[in-house]
Amino acid sequence: EVQLVQSGAEVKKPGESLEISCKASGYTSTYWIAWVRQMPGKGLEWMGVIYPGDSDTKYSPSFQGRVTISADQSISTAYLQWTSLKASDSAIYYCARRRGTGGGLDRWGQGTLVTVSS
Amino acid sequence: DIQMTQSPSTLSASVGDRVTITCRASQSFDTWLAWYQQKPGKAPKLLIYKASSLESGVPSRFSGSGSGTEFTLTISSLQPDDFATYFCQQYNTYPWTFGQGTKVEIK
Repeated sequence: EVQLVQSGAEVKKPGESLEISCKASGYTSTYWIAWVRQMPGKGLEWMGVIYPGDSDTKYSPSFQGRVTISADQSISTAYLQWTSLKASDSAIYYCARRRGTGGGLDRWGQGTLVTVSS
Repeated sequence: DIQMTQSPSTLSASVGDRVTITCRASQSFDTWLAWYQQKPGKAPKLLIYKASSLESGVPSRFSGSGSGTEFTLTISSLQPDDFATYFCQQYNTYPWTFGQGTKVEIK
């Protein structure tokens, strides 16, 4: 069974750093992995996407410079990292796999809730 | 960036109704568009990809159409399990972008 399992909820203070993870299992081919933000009660925002095979990464201009997306293909894991969190980073973050043929995000992680509060 | 605008934002309907949600793009593109369903507290679920292709396991009452700047998601006969929020997403051009969502409520 294809699964994306994300790391657990985090509570951080403004200015702290954070890395959350997304571990893929149940498939052997390499797929693009995207990160999507959902702020409380709001819609979905695409943050960026990475191809773990060569770490080719595309960012939304809204998130470029604020986060870093990386991946370790050897352990089938993608990461989303902040060096200095803000309260406005409080949200649920989802990873999702881009469908191989035809596109769309066909498998999603369960989401990681990040709370940034002093 | 390609802006995706969904309408309506909220839709009240009854079980058995035919429901149509529209997604309009600020720039024309081919058919690289997906539709998702999201229920409270859950991750989104892919329904339609490439504008009109039904994802495996998704009921056939869901269908998608369109190209260019106007795309539609249709639910032919609304079922109790379909009350949720629906999002469109273009993946034709980076940055990929989502519509703001359409909440389908019980009338």
